[in-house]
Amino acid sequence: DTGVSQDPRHKITKRGQNVTFRCDPISEHNRLYWYRQTLGQGPEFLTYFQNEAQLEKSRLLSDRFSAERPKGSFSTLEIQRTEQGDSAMYLCASSLTEVGYTFGSGTRLTVV
Amino acid sequence: GESVGLHLPTLSVQEGDNSIINCAYSNSASDYFIWYKQESGKGPQFIIDIRSNMDKRQGQRVTVLLNKTVKHLSLQIAATQPGDSAVYFCAERMDSSYKLIFGSGTRLLVRP
Repeated sequence: DTGVSQDPRHKITKRGQNVTFRCDPISEHNRLYWYRQTLGQGPEFLTYFQNEAQLEKSRLLSDRFSAERPKGSFSTLEIQRTEQGDSAMYLCASSLTEVGYTFGSGTRLTVV
Repeated sequence: GESVGLHLPTLSVQEGDNSIINCAYSNSASDYFIWYKQESGKGPQFIIDIRSNMDKRQGQRVTVLLNKTVKHLSLQIAATQPGDSAVYFCAERMDSSYKLIFGSGTRLLVRP
């Protein structure tokens, strides 16, 4: 499979716990993006990497959120001290240029 | 599977008819526009894109129209099929930016 892969597909966690999601982009894509999508809404931009450099973080990304892409390949998104408002679909996308995004199937987070 | 959006505007069409999905975008500086299709439990899937120096672009069974004067984008699907049933999002990107800004989505239901 040469698409964008996200793991896990679903995560249920108790409020206050930390969670980490992984994204494996298309192998030749140097750009990687994280988006968040809540029910009934379009995806909202969270952060962007070009290779291993994190070039932008949205104001949506509070201090409890951190994303890394240590070797310019896979990326992780960690949420510390989860809150119920963090419940959403977390989508990863990658691209080779500024166009041509490919999205993964997302990680559905439910905070109980 | 999961529902992408519970309270989205819905367009219901008869199988074989043409569908038109509309979108109003927000930023006159946007130079690139994309239509995505999202099925339940999946990430957005690229359908067609258009740059701001064009007003029409055609793909296989799909056409995108761009009216920059009124900041309006539309997606036309010819001979709509049951497999076209999904939520459709438009997205815009401002010149020299890398993040996409998504609209709120329209659910397309195809009646057999």
